[in-house]
Amino acid sequence: NAGVTQTPKFRVLKTGQSMTLLCAQDMNHEYMYWYRQDPGMGLRLIHYSVGEGTTAKGEVPDGYNVSRLKKQNFLLGLESAAPSQTSVYFCASRGLAGTETQYFGPGTRLLVL
Amino acid sequence: AQSVTQPDIHITVSEGASLELRCNYSYGATPYLFWYVQSPGQGLQLLLKYFSGDTLVQGIKGFEAEFKRSQSSFNLRKPSVHWSDAAEYFCVIGGSSNTGKLIFGQGTTLQVKP
Repeated sequence: NAGVTQTPKFRVLKTGQSMTLLCAQDMNHEYMYWYRQDPGMGLRLIHYSVGEGTTAKGEVPDGYNVSRLKKQNFLLGLESAAPSQTSVYFCASRGLAGTETQYFGPGTRLLVL
Repeated sequence: AQSVTQPDIHITVSEGASLELRCNYSYGATPYLFWYVQSPGQGLQLLLKYFSGDTLVQGIKGFEAEFKRSQSSFNLRKPSVHWSDAAEYFCVIGGSSNTGKLIFGQGTTLQVKP
């Protein structure tokens, strides 16, 4: 039982390049979330999904897209990376309502030059 | 607006000393309350949570937190800090909703002096 895993752990991009971050969970959780963490700002929600095939915008969605084609996977895409997207990205998952605790992955550190 | 405030950005305590990290929130009702810890370069680990019932909750690693409705606070405490407790601590609130979205405080970085 690996919990929540994220791929890759670290990546360097040039401005304008694209990439996809993969989040996978093996807990059969319905809900999945993508956050970004910047110094002094805690974690901010980018996008989330309440079930397979559904996605919704969070607090800071601009410049990102997501897809949830399989229940266990939640992909975060950057179509044209910008230096402002340099951050640490965390994925989390949660079971059905009534089990409010979110479980976090180890994070992906992204540097956009 | 819903928000979480952690007034102390950085705290330094001596090993063996007691610790209290402050957290205040603004929410329309009583939210779900969490404390998460993040060790350097690591992900977030749940320390404890409060949903209802006894307002003093026990967590892992010897931590506890007390919910005070009248003060809209959920302070984290530990009677004796260990060097391994050095980390960043986040107070988090959430609501009972179909989205399960969480709101994070800015975080408090704890440094432990030998």
